[in-house]
Amino acid sequence: TQLLEQSPQFLSIQEGENLTVYCNSSSVFSSLQWYRQEPGEGPVLLVTVVTGGEVKKLKRLTFQFGDARKDSSLHITAAQPGDTGLYLCAASPRTGTASKLTFGTGTRLQVTL
Amino acid sequence: NAGVTQTPKFRILKIGQSMTLQCAQDMNHNYMYWYRQDPGMGLKLIYYSVGAGITDKGEVPNGYNVSRSTTEDFPLRLELAAPSQTSVYFCASSSRLPGQGVSDTQYFGPGTRLTVL
Repeated sequence: TQLLEQSPQFLSIQEGENLTVYCNSSSVFSSLQWYRQEPGEGPVLLVTVVTGGEVKKLKRLTFQFGDARKDSSLHITAAQPGDTGLYLCAASPRTGTASKLTFGTGTRLQVTL
Repeated sequence: NAGVTQTPKFRILKIGQSMTLQCAQDMNHNYMYWYRQDPGMGLKLIYYSVGAGITDKGEVPNGYNVSRSTTEDFPLRLELAAPSQTSVYFCASSSRLPGQGVSDTQYFGPGTRLTVL
């Protein structure tokens, strides 16, 4: 089982600040996903990255996949209270079979006014 | 579409009791999954299914059983509840084509919060 480490575990910032969340592993991923989970709800997919070095943007969120496909980062520009939640990275170790995702431990983000 | 639905939303069990967590999806997805999420942690895969009649163990299957008699339903059974099974349980589903290599989108239900006392 791949071990996915996320940092930081907790982050409390004010509206308008920028932040970066990291997801690291000693193993190579075939692909990596980022999910956001709000209290009392299930995770919701934000993005899937597949190619080493890939960068994807989703409004104020920028996702990057490391060149060696062992790490990923999520950068939020000008954070808003609506960005508050638990951010989870999830990796797929194999291709062509069931999506047995391994989830990271999560980064809990709180954005205050 | 209702997506992925789970019942009950909350449940308290005594040690040794049994229960079934229900999960249903109306998206005609072939893949379904059960995860547990402990406080402050990510999700761990308990069991998954690639289609009706086919199930397989995930990372933490001990103490649980599943069945997949239809495409829509994927119940999770706890036979002898233990305090270590106190957690939030999430069911998810996805649609995957044969030979598809890229991770597909998993759609999650709202979760069942289970406490074993």
